[in-house]
Amino acid sequence: QQPVQSPQAVILREGEDAVINCSSSKALYSVHWYRQKHGEAPVFLMILLKGGEQKGHDKISASFNEKKQQSSLYLTASQLSYSGTYFCGTEPQGGSEKLVFGKGTKLTVNP
Amino acid sequence: GAVVSQHPSWVICKSGTSVKIECRSLDFQATTMFWYRQFPKQSLMLMATSNEGSKATYEQGVEKDKFLINHASLTLSTLTVTSAHPEDSSFYICSATTAGRAKNSPLHFGNGTRLTVT
Repeated sequence: QQPVQSPQAVILREGEDAVINCSSSKALYSVHWYRQKHGEAPVFLMILLKGGEQKGHDKISASFNEKKQQSSLYLTASQLSYSGTYFCGTEPQGGSEKLVFGKGTKLTVNP
Repeated sequence: GAVVSQHPSWVICKSGTSVKIECRSLDFQATTMFWYRQFPKQSLMLMATSNEGSKATYEQGVEKDKFLINHASLTLSTLTVTSAHPEDSSFYICSATTAGRAKNSPLHFGNGTRLTVT
């Protein structure tokens, strides 16, 4: 079952913050976040495992609420390089290693 | 480390011909490779899971006779689009997991192959 991402698109000015949400109707083992630029392969951002995990990398962080089966990606003080489409990939409980990706959130950061 | 090489990066072929796409893990052994398909401005849709030495597992709605997958070794998986038609035009991406993958390790993606069928 494909996770639901919101919003579908967001436009920011450099330095602004954004939150991208990912929710699943199924119990999850892990949530993966990737960023894809046009015509390129997805680039790994981070993985969150069950246990209410939170992670951060530079100014990008994420949280995973396994009870609510939701994950959020936080981008703070956005940079032009953050532009792209963000996908969450969910792995069902049991750890099948098979990721199902959401439809993506297109982020545009303008100067 | 953990580099996945996909070849070719783009291919144009005529209707009715077959196209082979290779996915190689360059510096690790990949017991499992995944093949995804992505239409413009859409998500990555899993087509099949390829395990070394065994038959691939296809997702519902994916024709296994049309999309032939072979995982001949721990570093190579191939996807062959047989009798290609214009509707098969898409971006195909492979990804691989390391053998005995730790639960917090990511999938490693190839750079994708853009297939255009004329």
